[in-house]
Amino acid sequence: GAVVSQHPSWVICKSGTSVKIECRSLDFQATTMFWYRQFPKQSLMLMATSNEGSKATYEQGVEKDKFLINHASLTLSTLTVTSAHPEDSSFYICSAIGPPGLSSYEQYFGPGTRLTVT
Amino acid sequence: QKEVEQNSGPLSVPEGAIASLNCTYSDRGSQSFFWYRQYSGKSPELIMSIYSNGDKEDGRFTAQLNKASQYVSLLIRDSQPSDSATYLCAVNPRTGANNLFFGTGTRLTVIP
Repeated sequence: GAVVSQHPSWVICKSGTSVKIECRSLDFQATTMFWYRQFPKQSLMLMATSNEGSKATYEQGVEKDKFLINHASLTLSTLTVTSAHPEDSSFYICSAIGPPGLSSYEQYFGPGTRLTVT
Repeated sequence: QKEVEQNSGPLSVPEGAIASLNCTYSDRGSQSFFWYRQYSGKSPELIMSIYSNGDKEDGRFTAQLNKASQYVSLLIRDSQPSDSATYLCAVNPRTGANNLFFGTGTRLTVIP
């Protein structure tokens, strides 16, 4: 299989604080992971591509200093929302490219993290 | 023009009917195509992938790809209320990058 986990599944934080979200590939190594954000009733928005051992590639309009991504191992990528504000409240979802042997470019999603900033 | 376009719906079908979901893409060189299902409040789940022209069947699901028309579809036979969800079409672009372009999704409701 290709299982991706995320932690925490939900978090409530106060405005101005930072929140770290973890994304793990449980049964395979993922050199590439992706971070998405989804607002209610809207589609997925790719925020950044996370590559193990190198800097993340951010999509246009996504502040790299606000959304810090670290992909320090082949099974773990983290997203830190710094100085969170209420407008950062959203559903954050990570995905990973499936293991070798499965079809190319299939992305497997974690269960998501619902962030609420008060 | 968006990379991947889907009819947002909602699409309603009676239980037991065939649901037909459609998607078009702009990059003629795209090679990999995927359908994801997303239940409300949950993350997307991969249900089908297709890479060559024609049909690919998996249980009640059939994906159809027509690269000449830049069109990919998903048929759900014997639709069940549990199939009610948003279906996302995703395309891997030709550039060699490993990211996917997602459509905005089609919301399907299966009426008991």
